[in-house]
Amino acid sequence: ETAVFQTPNYHVTQVGNEVSFNCKQTLGHDTMYWYKQDSKKLLKIMFSYNNKQLIVNETVPRRFSPQSSDKAHLNLRIKSVEPEDSAVYLCASSPTTGYQDTQYFGPGTRLLVL
Amino acid sequence: GDSVTQTEGQVTVSESKSLIINCTYSATSIGYPNLFWYVRYPGEGLQLLLKVITAGQKGSSRGFEATYNKEATSFHLQKASVQESDSAVYYCALRFGYQNFYFGKGTSLTVIP
Repeated sequence: ETAVFQTPNYHVTQVGNEVSFNCKQTLGHDTMYWYKQDSKKLLKIMFSYNNKQLIVNETVPRRFSPQSSDKAHLNLRIKSVEPEDSAVYLCASSPTTGYQDTQYFGPGTRLLVL
Repeated sequence: GDSVTQTEGQVTVSESKSLIINCTYSATSIGYPNLFWYVRYPGEGLQLLLKVITAGQKGSSRGFEATYNKEATSFHLQKASVQESDSAVYYCALRFGYQNFYFGKGTSLTVIP
């Protein structure tokens, strides 16, 4: 049963445009994440939030910015997309920041930048 | 840096036959990572299949098993008898602390009846 929801499923845009991806989890978890899965299928963490507070910000371009209104929501905005941003973006949540916690993933948002 | 290498591409197995998907890891971080196998069934998101957080232990779920071998830095996924419903993409992953969560490139399993 799906408990981490992402919208949209798929988005096509042009270089320089702004895009926003939404993520919501209904598991009551404190921690949420954004990952990028590139064409080589490696999944790398971008951001991690714990109870609306940013706790991890890996080296990503400044055009990427996470936004959290409450602990159940973590959105991702890309200010001016570039071709290398084409990828699948995965949202996830876990009960706490504990490294032993299981992460639950959403279905992903596929971005194509023309 | 930390990385995961697993059997790449597509694997095709006949139903009721055995399966092994290889996974080895390289870790430069201090300590021992937690190791995971995730699965993505067609049309669905990533799901945790099994995880092991202690070196030397074995995890199991849905007939799949994987043993955390710290000497060989391996975490191979095995199943004695696959079913058609096991057709999916399998990802090996490791994690140190709460920051680094590295996935392999995924192995697409097709089970033919």
